[in-house]
Amino acid sequence: QQQVKQSPQSLIVQKGGISIINCAYENTAFDYFPWYQQFPGKGPALLIAIRPDVSEKKEGRFTISFNKSAKQFSLHIMDSQPGDSATYFCAVPGSFTSGTYKYIFGTGTRLKVLA
Amino acid sequence: DTGVSQDPRHKITKRGQNVTFRCDPISEHNRLYWYRQTLGQGPEFLTYFQNEAQLEKSRLLSDRFSAERPKGSFSTLEIQRTEQGDSAMYLCASSVDRGGVLRTQYFGPGTRLLVL
Repeated sequence: QQQVKQSPQSLIVQKGGISIINCAYENTAFDYFPWYQQFPGKGPALLIAIRPDVSEKKEGRFTISFNKSAKQFSLHIMDSQPGDSATYFCAVPGSFTSGTYKYIFGTGTRLKVLA
Repeated sequence: DTGVSQDPRHKITKRGQNVTFRCDPISEHNRLYWYRQTLGQGPEFLTYFQNEAQLEKSRLLSDRFSAERPKGSFSTLEIQRTEQGDSAMYLCASSVDRGGVLRTQYFGPGTRLLVL
């Protein structure tokens, strides 16, 4: 079964600081890696995604950095705001052995941004 | 585009009862997924449909669970003889996938099940 390791489990950042969340995987059938943001009582919402024909993708304050050879990617939240306080999940496409057309999710990172 | 909707949003039931959840995907999305999420964990894949065909089921999906997507539009997930361990958030997601490519999945708000 595909393993997806996400770290840290929780993160506390001061307002205006940088939040960094990491994700490592084993194998995947497709090259498409999204990050989801989830608020309590809500479903996960797509935040940003990357296809690793590029090593970095930036959308506003959110950046994904991708290291294909290391099988790792990370989410950077610049100028973190209290409204960013949520749980963040990385998602990795399944491998050919684990089934392809689904995502394997990390265990999540609870981010709290202090005002 | 009204997003993925799920009904009910909350369900409390007694152990041994049957429950059924409904998911309406984004229109024209041909793939529909069911995930289960327990507190403090990421969503875990249960099953998915390509149009009306159920193409993959997780080992998490015991024989008490059944899912259907009869006309390739909405889907239902039924749990028979519920157990306390079934208490979780049940998430539905949909995507438009053509040509065998995995793309973004859009999630609904979930149905939170509590089995007493």
